[in-house]
Amino acid sequence: AQSVTQLDSQVPVFEEAPVELRCNYSSSVSVYLFWYVQYPNQGLQLLLKYLSGSTLVKSINGFEAEFNKSQTSFHLRKPSVHISDTAEYFCAVRKSGNTPLVFGKGTRLSVIA
Amino acid sequence: SAVISQKPSRDICQRGTSLTIQCQVDSQVTMMFWYRQQPGQSLTLIATANQGSEATYESGFVIDKFPISRPNLTFSTLTVSNMSPEDSSIYLCSVAQGVTEAFFGQGTRLTVV
Repeated sequence: AQSVTQLDSQVPVFEEAPVELRCNYSSSVSVYLFWYVQYPNQGLQLLLKYLSGSTLVKSINGFEAEFNKSQTSFHLRKPSVHISDTAEYFCAVRKSGNTPLVFGKGTRLSVIA
Repeated sequence: SAVISQKPSRDICQRGTSLTIQCQVDSQVTMMFWYRQQPGQSLTLIATANQGSEATYESGFVIDKFPISRPNLTFSTLTVSNMSPEDSSIYLCSVAQGVTEAFFGQGTRLTVV
């Protein structure tokens, strides 16, 4: 079975500062990795994903995540955050197509002006 | 991509009653998934629903409490039966298309009083 650990439940950070949200996973098989974002009172949105190929993946709004197989990690980073990045961020894995996602407990990112 | 319509978006229900949540997808999908997100928590998989067969429930969830129907490849319902305040959560429908990503409905915010 797969599992996901998000090491930080809450991360406060000042506007324009860098941020890293940590995610580690456990699986006996190869997995696909995802970051989802949930803005206050909204649904889940896919932020970025790693399926194969380059281990560094980027989103359109400046976030990036790097797949590290040896450390079984998929940490999310942004060099300079905005107030609008305040949200809950969920790391998730799945082992193959047509299987459900397994989510971490989430990290609440709070950007402070 | 897939567009998922979930109804109702929110409801306030009396304890002891039941609520049926509908999930409509704009394309045919093999599997649909139902998740629960309790206040301030991550998403927990309730069950996987295949068309034409019984749903597969995760540990801690039973068919008598959460009966699921899957009459065709674009529609599913989840019923929350004999509700108690502990059932107050957001319930989300999800579908997977290949290995790329999972899509989510906007969720049903249920409050049991």
